[in-house]
Amino acid sequence: GAVVSQHPSRVICKSGTSVKIECRSLDFQATTMFWYRQFPKQSLMLMATSNEGSKATYEQGVEKDKFLINHASLTLSTLTVTSAHPEDSSFYICSAKGQTRYNEQFFGPGTRLTVL
Amino acid sequence: DAKTTQPPSMDCAEGRAANLPCNHSTISGNEYVYWYRQIHSQGPQYIIHGLKNNETNEMASLIITEDRKSSTLILPHATLRDTAVYYCIVRVRGGANNLFFGTGTRLTVIP
Repeated sequence: GAVVSQHPSRVICKSGTSVKIECRSLDFQATTMFWYRQFPKQSLMLMATSNEGSKATYEQGVEKDKFLINHASLTLSTLTVTSAHPEDSSFYICSAKGQTRYNEQFFGPGTRLTVL
Repeated sequence: DAKTTQPPSMDCAEGRAANLPCNHSTISGNEYVYWYRQIHSQGPQYIIHGLKNNETNEMASLIITEDRKSSTLILPHATLRDTAVYYCIVRVRGGANNLFFGTGTRLTVIP
């Protein structure tokens, strides 16, 4: 299957700082990328969907000014958590779909964000 | 996409077959059944998918009932590394929407 990577795998930051998470499709072109958030012992919750070259579509309740998503190329999307607070501490997972044989959705390994 | 219902948790002895059920009574004709799993602190991993025929790959087998209203994922010889949350998802293959993850089944493989 296609490979999706995320960087960093874990990050610890101070409250009020911004954190950028990268998501890359390594061997295919991702026309659509999804960002999920997962709190402990809960399921994945979709935050936003982004199509290459256009603005992201955010799910209800997700602040677009706080979670900045950029999908500038067919292999890279970034999620920036601005002015992070402890309640933003979570597991962030990206997923990509695009020009693969069956247009399926593939997941990255996740990024553990801890805001102190 | 159709909704699925799974038991919240199951245990399985190591080396035995793990049978994970899923109900999807509102599945429509063009929707596939997908199974993913999520090992602790990792991203979801694709396992298998099918439309109406039973499917088998190196990881698991998928048995879909004739009326397609339920399915069972079978891990033939469970190992400790199969301990994970297993998600059953139904959706149109290659559809524009993202995969919707319900609560899944937490499978614990016991030594």
